[in-house]
Amino acid sequence: DAGITQSPRHKVTETGTPVTLRCHQTENHRYMYWYRQDPGHGLRLIHYSYGVKDTDKGEVSDGYSVSRSKTEDFLLTLESATSSQTSVYFCAISSPGGGSYEQYFGPGTRLTVT
Amino acid sequence: KQEVTQIPAALSVPEGENLVLNCSFTDSAIYNLQWFRQDPGKGLTSLLLIQSSQREQTSGRLNASLDKSSGRSTLYIAASQPGDSATYLCAVTLTTSGTYKYIFGTGTRLKVLA
Repeated sequence: DAGITQSPRHKVTETGTPVTLRCHQTENHRYMYWYRQDPGHGLRLIHYSYGVKDTDKGEVSDGYSVSRSKTEDFLLTLESATSSQTSVYFCAISSPGGGSYEQYFGPGTRLTVT
Repeated sequence: KQEVTQIPAALSVPEGENLVLNCSFTDSAIYNLQWFRQDPGKGLTSLLLIQSSQREQTSGRLNASLDKSSGRSTLYIAASQPGDSATYLCAVTLTTSGTYKYIFGTGTRLKVLA
């Protein structure tokens, strides 16, 4: 258990509304990631963070923004949700133990945009 | 651009059979390779991590091998059980400028029949 929680776990929202997903970790890891998982596409990186206030884009970052004001929290915001953003969103951390940088995942958030 | 492929996409085997799952990647400049298990509606659970300098790792009935030069990794599951039914994903770790990013395959969905 890497101490990663995500909230909410399920959310239904309407097109055009803003949505914020939260990832919280208890292990003080430097690297945090947001992915989305869709059938046929696997896991795709949205944004990642390599420290407080240090973030960068992944391969599918359009329509998403992130913030990391504390080591333990990484927020993903959909500024104006669209139906194409209906997906399962996973947060992950990268643990540098032994130089491995092994990834551990949260339980996921299922987001439906109607 | 690094691409990760897992074939077959789905596999069904009788209980007790030994089986091999395949993962191939296009660029051998990887930091390490990780195998995950994902149960329906759940997050990813790390199974094994192989550093780029290693050839294999073992955990219980699982053995993962890595051949960087040919861009291939295999996950061997001995004496399969119905509880092994899940989707198995591999991911390669890339590192540039001190950051770590992960490229995932789309997974192999395994069903072990009792």
